[in-house]
Amino acid sequence: AAGVIQSPRHLIKEKRETATLKCYPIPRHDTVYWYQQGPGQDPQFLISFYEKMQSDKGSIPDRFSAQQFSDYHSELNMSSLELGDSALYFCASSEDRGRLSEWGTGELFFGEGSRLTVL
Amino acid sequence: AQKVTQAQTEISVVEKEDVTLDCVYETRDTTYYLFWYKQPPSGELVFLIRRNSFDEQNEISGRYSWNFQKSTSSFNFTITASQVVDSAVYFCALKRSGYALNFGKGTSLLVTP
Repeated sequence: AAGVIQSPRHLIKEKRETATLKCYPIPRHDTVYWYQQGPGQDPQFLISFYEKMQSDKGSIPDRFSAQQFSDYHSELNMSSLELGDSALYFCASSEDRGRLSEWGTGELFFGEGSRLTVL
Repeated sequence: AQKVTQAQTEISVVEKEDVTLDCVYETRDTTYYLFWYKQPPSGELVFLIRRNSFDEQNEISGRYSWNFQKSTSSFNFTITASQVVDSAVYFCALKRSGYALNFGKGTSLLVTP
């Protein structure tokens, strides 16, 4: 079965540069979530989108922005990169905002992550 | 407020021992979901189990078992006859219906031969 696809898997950038991460959800999933996991930390929720609109917002820095496109894929844009942005970035997808409903089972499916290193 | 507490930061056991990872959660919602994920050294998040708040049945899957008790707001995870390949960080997580997943700090499990 198709899974959540993230690209690139690894990315190395210099301080103050810009990076873009992409996420392709499981087909027919309409909700995408972004998480950031620093070294030795738990994944922290950044932002989510449902039907191309922002649905929930977590601890996303102002330097970061994200959007969901008409084909439901999502991109996380990070500008003015700092050393502290080095982390594993996960994307997850679900049906119907992860609600247990007629349309959703409440499950979240994670991609393999994109590892960003800022030098 | 939502909160997931995994009080055990690190656990070390010898192969074949049983080990229980504790998870205590807080939420005011009546509909919520509890998850366990495994994160091996390679970094990916491997889904282990999901429990809905209205389903308190315990579950066993091979060497893994889960004990969900709403009365104590706990969702503990037991590995029976642990193996070296079980070495990983294990995250318990809570999700409100329609919202994102909220992770605990994780428990690092080391199984030695």
